[in-house]
Amino acid sequence: QPVLTQSSSASASLGSSVKITCSLDSGHSTYIIAWHQQQPGKAPRYLMKFEGSGRNTKGSGVPDRFSGSRSGADCYFTISNVQSEDEADYYCETWDRNTRVFGGGTKLTVL
Amino acid sequence: EVQLLESGGGLVQPGGSLRLSCAASGFIFSNYGMIWVRQAPGKGLEWVSAIGGDGSTTYYADSVKGRSTISRDNSKNTFYLQMNNMRAEDTALYYCAKLEAGGTATWGQGSLVTVSS
Repeated sequence: QPVLTQSSSASASLGSSVKITCSLDSGHSTYIIAWHQQQPGKAPRYLMKFEGSGRNTKGSGVPDRFSGSRSGADCYFTISNVQSEDEADYYCETWDRNTRVFGGGTKLTVL
Repeated sequence: EVQLLESGGGLVQPGGSLRLSCAASGFIFSNYGMIWVRQAPGKGLEWVSAIGGDGSTTYYADSVKGRSTISRDNSKNTFYLQMNNMRAEDTALYYCAKLEAGGTATWGQGSLVTVSS
């Protein structure tokens, strides 16, 4: 099954930018990746997904300052003009026919 | 507006059983696959089980395979997770979610399950 690797933590100052990385294992490098945000004490929220081709689909109401990119097996989620409400855990997700995998999550701290 | 509402969580003894329900609204329920995802206290997200729109295909994580059954009643816009022989490590917040084009698109608010004597 696919394996997703995320760094456990990241930090950014108010108004700056931050990039969070999610890496697929080499055997599943073209799989679709989705990103989810989980603010403290809340349920996760879908943000966007990226296909292997680079095509991406954003969820409804997701701020424009949230964006993503992809380079092969590495997927990046970027927040521009970081706000205090962006302090949250960010999870990447991938799937195939009979399984679904989440990355370990990246805890973003806003300084 | 798509809404998902879990129910059925609570305290269960080790070895006991529990059935979680997820009531859906705001979309044509039978057209979508649905999943359960859980989150142990202080931990990350773990996929538990999935079911196709017509209920004919089901999938389980190894951690619950053989102890759990996912099902759905499209006439009631509701799907379920029956968990048996529960263990302390099943203690978690259980989320139901709707799939779109394979990916998790909408999440419920979660239902807490505690396995303890």
